[in-house]
Amino acid sequence: QTVVTQEPSLTVSPGGKVTLTCASSTGVVTSGDHPSWFQQRPGQTPRPLIYSTDNKHSWTPARFSGSLLGGKAALTLSGVQPEDEADYYCLLYFGAAQGWVFGGGTKVTVL
Amino acid sequence: EVQLVQSGAEVKKPGESLKISCQISGYSFSSYWIGWVRQMPGKGLDWMGIIYPVDSDTRYSPSFQGQVTLSVDKSINTAYLQWRSLKASDTAIYYCARRWSGYGYDAFDIWGQGTMVTVS
Repeated sequence: QTVVTQEPSLTVSPGGKVTLTCASSTGVVTSGDHPSWFQQRPGQTPRPLIYSTDNKHSWTPARFSGSLLGGKAALTLSGVQPEDEADYYCLLYFGAAQGWVFGGGTKVTVL
Repeated sequence: EVQLVQSGAEVKKPGESLKISCQISGYSFSSYWIGWVRQMPGKGLDWMGIIYPVDSDTRYSPSFQGQVTLSVDKSINTAYLQWRSLKASDTAIYYCARRWSGYGYDAFDIWGQGTMVTVS
């Protein structure tokens, strides 16, 4: 069973910068895994932010960016706002047989 | 406006069956795969499976294979997630989401509001 691993929690100051990562138990994450990122605030539906590594949806604020970093997928928040406090999930694609797997999520606290 | 509207909350007893729905509007239902995601209370997201409305081609996560069934009714633009015999551990919020994909890109871009299922 493939496992996708994220940092359980990160803390960042308002206006600061933080990078979240997403690792695969199968090895290096590549663009072919189509890494996606989702934000979920308490009691809300997950909100897509990034797809296929570094593409933003039309509603994604400019301060969010996606990349590949050191064999992992990464989500960087720059100029963090208080409303960015939320859980963030990555999603990787492992092909037609296994489909997609979510990471365990990262709780970002803005303090 | 593209929307995925899910059926309302359900409260069931262990052993009962259940079918929840996800009705699509604002785009051609047959053009996109529909995926399903589970979120147990206080926990993260679990990808369950995906179905293609054109031919009901279905892919399940190994964790959910044999536990649930995905289906569609093209005549009413609706996707379904069903259980034959619920367990207390099926208590969760279930989301449907549209898969938008093409050459070089793949995304679950539009999500339903979620259906809370309580088994007790």
